[in-house]
Amino acid sequence: KNQVEQSPQSLIILEGKNCTLQCNYTVSPFSNLRWYKQDTGRGPVSLTIMTFSENTKSNGRYTATLDADTKQSSLHITASQLSDSASYICVVVLNTGTASKLTFGTGTRLQVTL
Amino acid sequence: GAGVSQSPSNKVTEKGKDVELRCDPISGHTALYWYRQSLGQGLEFLIYFQGNSAPDKSGLPSDRFSAERTGGSVSTLTIQRTQQEDSAVYLCASSLRREGPEQYFGPGTRLTVT
Repeated sequence: KNQVEQSPQSLIILEGKNCTLQCNYTVSPFSNLRWYKQDTGRGPVSLTIMTFSENTKSNGRYTATLDADTKQSSLHITASQLSDSASYICVVVLNTGTASKLTFGTGTRLQVTL
Repeated sequence: GAGVSQSPSNKVTEKGKDVELRCDPISGHTALYWYRQSLGQGLEFLIYFQGNSAPDKSGLPSDRFSAERTGGSVSTLTIQRTQQEDSAVYLCASSLRREGPEQYFGPGTRLTVT
């Protein structure tokens, strides 16, 4: 069982609409939780990074929330644009003392349509 | 400045052949990571280099996989006697230091083993 579960697997929304992507994790204790955006054929690009003490972090139209008690995070996208079409990956980072171990979710594939 | 670059962008090889994948990290970044992204799967950690320290090889799936980093810069991931299950996108990332917090990903090398 993956230690980082994302839902939904895929999502189609109309341009201008909002959406929320979910991430549940079992990795603990963790150093930080990250959301990445991965365009097709490209490497992931960081959107937000939150430590366990942070509840929310925004980056433009992207807002990530974190509930360390329930081990859940969400990424909210406001006023979606066609360019938001991509895979969104939740990553939990564990510092082991010798390296940072990243555990990746399988991602949510978002398609924004006209 | 230039980001992380990887070459080749695409590689098709016959089963049983050896392949070498190259990663050029961002200049000055001491930490370098290799990941594998199989179709429909999350990114899988392979190996981590930090400065002159011994690499963390805990993610390498078999002894057919090896990597080296010369002069603390360019890294090469070698897969010997390739198998069809090795087909995936291989991503390299670098960060300024062990804890990051930011990892910058390259565009990846898509490996297809026929």
